[in-house]
Amino acid sequence: ETGVTQSPTHLIKTRGQQVTLRCSSQSGHNTVSWYQQALGQGPQFIFQYYREEENGRGNFPPRFSGLQFPNYSSELNVNALELDDSALYLCASSLVGGGGREQYFGPGTRLTVT
Amino acid sequence: QKEVEQDPGPLSVPEGAIVSLNCTYSNSAFQYFMWYRQYSRKGPELLMYTYSSGNKEDGRFTAQVDKSSKYISLFIRDSQPSDSATYLCAMSGVSGGYQKVTFGIGTKLQVIP
Repeated sequence: ETGVTQSPTHLIKTRGQQVTLRCSSQSGHNTVSWYQQALGQGPQFIFQYYREEENGRGNFPPRFSGLQFPNYSSELNVNALELDDSALYLCASSLVGGGGREQYFGPGTRLTVT
Repeated sequence: QKEVEQDPGPLSVPEGAIVSLNCTYSNSAFQYFMWYRQYSRKGPELLMYTYSSGNKEDGRFTAQVDKSSKYISLFIRDSQPSDSATYLCAMSGVSGGYQKVTFGIGTKLQVIP
């Protein structure tokens, strides 16, 4: 088990609603990345935060936004939920400068949009 | 064409078999090559990473990278039922000024006792 925790474990929302997912990084890690993993697919990079600023973004619309706090914990916010947003949302913590080679994932939040 | 291609399987082998899992990629900028294991309804777990072409061994696992062919492999010796999981290859490189990690679709492995 990594030291990365995520909450909630499961969530059911209705199309058009907004959702906030939370992540606590592994101790000592200063970078957090968020991924979306649809059923039967690999994780897709949403964005990364370092020093409380977005440090890179994948091919996701602006209704996906995030925050990183001084204690390196993080939030992922999704507005105007769509059915295709149903997926496992993973956060991963790492150290900046690691080249992306050592990321430690949390257990994920399974979001269902109806 | 996807940047990272991986056969989704499923791959079914008897206990004790040698398992070979593979990925190909198209982006020459990838610098690090990782293998993750993901059990059902869990987050991915980092198994190992490599930087250059060649082999890296860790217990029953060996990762192999051939940059000239843009091909990476993970071998599992003496496979166990507990190895049954989805194996994800992942590659990282600088894109748009930041380090980006790209995953394959994952290969589902079942080791039969």
